[in-house]
Formats: sequence, structure tokens, C-alpha cells
Amino acid sequence: GIQVEQSPPDLILQEGANSTLRCNFSDSVNNLQWFHQNPWGQLINLFYIPSGTKQNGRLSATTVATERYSLLYISSSQTTDSGVYFCAVDSGGSNYKLTFGKGTLLTVNP
Amino acid sequence: EPEVTQTPSHQVTQMGQEVILRCVPISNHLYFYWYRQILGQKVEFLVSFYNNEISEKSEIFDDQFSVERPDGSNFTLKIRSTKLEDSAMYFCAGRGIEAFFGQGTRLTVV
Repeated sequence: GIQVEQSPPDLILQEGANSTLRCNFSDSVNNLQWFHQNPWGQLINLFYIPSGTKQNGRLSATTVATERYSLLYISSSQTTDSGVYFCAVDSGGSNYKLTFGKGTLLTVNP
Repeated sequence: EPEVTQTPSHQVTQMGQEVILRCVPISNHLYFYWYRQILGQKVEFLVSFYNNEISEKSEIFDDQFSVERPDGSNFTLKIRSTKLEDSAMYFCAGRGIEAFFGQGTRLTVV
């Protein structure tokens, strides 16, 4: 099956800093989503981005499907950005199931 | 904004007992899923459900697991005889263009 690798596994920032999280995948994808898992365990949708670039406030994402990677940018980080960021892909087939990476644990210190 | 609702949020059960986890998906979704996340690990696919039947299941989804959509709205995951290793966060999800996840049920088997 498709492999999803995320880097870095852990990231510690001071409030106000910028960061880039990376997701590499081993095969072509129909769907790529970024999620934020908050301290209560909820998976919050950030972006649906199988290709191209999107922006939502301080967050933006870019997927280069031909090179099999996606990047999540967080600018002017806040303590509430802390948590685990997951990339998940669906490689096609009839069921559209998602395969998750292991995530990046982001800690933003005040 | 429509959302996926899961109950209960937490459940503690004795080893060997049966548990039923419940989900109300978003009404216009056609594909439904259960995923599992063992503490500190990535989110793993368990089963997909389409047109009132299982469309795909993972190796984790053995004979002790079952899913139902008994009344066209609720979607349930039953674990017949729980084991210690079933302790995890269980997520229900539905898919339109993108996947949306419920807030999860944290299952603890003691």
C-alpha cells in the first residue's frame, strides 16, 4: 500500500515563529488532507489539497503531486497551534480510505 | 456546519465485555469509515462501509468487530469481546469530497 512519511517528527517553536511541515507519499494520490489533532484528540480538517496551493489565515499548504509531496506552512505561530499535524492520503480505488502519516508533534511555547 | 457526532466520548469496559460505539454521520455522505488510533501512534483504517455493506476491511478488523447502519442514520462499531489491546481512540468518518471525522470515542479496556 501507499506509504506516507512526515517530517520532522517533533518541532518546538517560540510563539511568533514560522514553520514548514513536510509530507512525502510513495504513489499518486486522489486526495490529500492535512489535519490538526488538538489536545482533546479531535481531528480538525485544515486543508483538502490533492494539488496546488491554498491559504487559510496563517496557514497555507502546497501539494506538488508530480513530485509526491505536500508542505504545510504555519506563520506567526500561536500556543493554540500546538498539537499533532497529520497528513493523510487516498491513493484511489473504490473506497477512498485514508492512509495517515505518523504526524508532526508541534509545541509552541509562549 | 454539519458534523460527525460520536457517542460516548469515553468508555471504560472490562476485558471480555462487548462494547458498541455509535456515530451519526453527515447526512449526504455516502462512504463511512471507522479508524483507530492507539495512544501516541498514527491513525489506522479499520473498515469502510458503502451502500449498507462493508466495502473494505483491514487486517485489524477481525471477527470480533462488526459494523451496522441499522436505521439509515446511526452507524455503529461493535467489539464483541474486548481485549486490553483494543484500548484506543476510535474515530468515525464520512466522505463527500473530503473526509470529516467525529470527535472520537476513547475506549479503555481494563
